[in-house]
Amino acid sequence: DVKVTQSSRYLVKRTGEKVFLECVQDMDHENMFWYRQDPGLGLRLIYFSYDVKMKEKGDIPEGYSVSREKKERFSLILESASTNQTSMYLCASSLYSGLGTLAKNIQYFGAGTRLSVL
Amino acid sequence: AQSVAQPEDQVNVAEGNPLTVKCTYSVSGNPYLFWYVQYPNRGLQFLLKYITGDNLVKGSYGFEAEFNKSQTSFHLKKPSALVSDSALYFCAVRDPNYGGSQGNLIFGKGTKLSVKP
Repeated sequence: DVKVTQSSRYLVKRTGEKVFLECVQDMDHENMFWYRQDPGLGLRLIYFSYDVKMKEKGDIPEGYSVSREKKERFSLILESASTNQTSMYLCASSLYSGLGTLAKNIQYFGAGTRLSVL
Repeated sequence: AQSVAQPEDQVNVAEGNPLTVKCTYSVSGNPYLFWYVQYPNRGLQFLLKYITGDNLVKGSYGFEAEFNKSQTSFHLKKPSALVSDSALYFCAVRDPNYGGSQGNLIFGKGTKLSVKP
């Protein structure tokens, strides 16, 4: 079974702190994603990566950055945490889906990190 | 613009009754459609997907969904609901024009399913 592990289930941080959320997957997936989940808003894509050292912005990248130094690990960084970044953060991974093939687009999710910024 | 809509915030069903969770979409190309379920304090789990072929797709835990191109819908169904089906359900569509082949998904806002004994 695919396993996506997020390092923390719950985090409490203070405004202005630098926050690191870590995600590791064990299935050699090329794609990795960071979402935030808020009630009534569903899942919104923050950043994704399709290869080591590659990253692309999602729908709401402001206030966030990411790092992918190894294929299995994708980190989300809040440079200076703010209260409006209090949310559930979900990491996901998937196989690369090449053009002209049946897309192997099933995304496998971690259990989530609930971040509170005070 | 590509989008997916789940018109109901909550669906209440009695155990043993059939359930339907609605999803409609708007994409420019041929859609890839997915349903995910989220149990309390857990991440999302894949239920089923439509890529091509038979419009009726069967998935995990007895769920199925029907792709209806003319109505741009992909409603999730189950013939007989269980209390354990109570969870948050997300419909998602792959936008073929966003991120190219990278498999990015657009998620609906979620529908809370409550099954009462």
